[in-house]
Amino acid sequence: DTAVSQTPKYLVTQMGNDKSIKCEQNLGHDTMYWYKQDSKKFLKIMFSYNNKELIINETVPNRFSPKSPDKAHLNLHINSLELGDSAVYFCASSQDGGPDTQYFGPGTRLTVL
Amino acid sequence: DAKTTQPPSMDCAEGRAANLPCNHSTISGNEYVYWYRQIHSQGPQYIIHGLKNNETNEMASLIITEDRKSSTLILPHATLRDTAVYYCIVKALRDDKIIFGKGTRLHILP
Repeated sequence: DTAVSQTPKYLVTQMGNDKSIKCEQNLGHDTMYWYKQDSKKFLKIMFSYNNKELIINETVPNRFSPKSPDKAHLNLHINSLELGDSAVYFCASSQDGGPDTQYFGPGTRLTVL
Repeated sequence: DAKTTQPPSMDCAEGRAANLPCNHSTISGNEYVYWYRQIHSQGPQYIIHGLKNNETNEMASLIITEDRKSSTLILPHATLRDTAVYYCIVKALRDDKIIFGKGTRLHILP
């Protein structure tokens, strides 16, 4: 079974639309993250949630809103999509305590036309 | 900004050991060295981490210099599937944020 899963894998949409990307982890981890990897391949953290509470919120436009219905899910909702939002978005999770390693999902490639 | 410096790319022959260097001269006493890799079109994958002692697992070995200002990731018998971008990261144990640099693009040559 996939440890960290994301849906959809590909998302093509028009400018101005609102879309969501879903993430689920079945590892029992306490913390979940969203990262953005742009066309230049730089990977940057956007948000992290610990037990449904926002911990890290980097300088991300407020059009991006993470939602955590429970500890195993962290969804990313994006309003009023812009061309510059085109990127690959990765979800990740980690367990409090232990080696503190992060497990990443397969990514969602978002293309805004 | 990333606190590490890595060569942008390296080549290694299949079956040989791949040695990937990383400089982290400003590392703090409570910061660990982590290595991740990203195979094309996949999410990053954890490889190994260490504080000051050398570490080995089923994927790789990590050699950290005594002054902790640099380290080397060793893939003992590289295969074509090891072709990826390798990221060296320094991070305190309870710091959630991973700051990825540009990494080293490793090409395994047949």
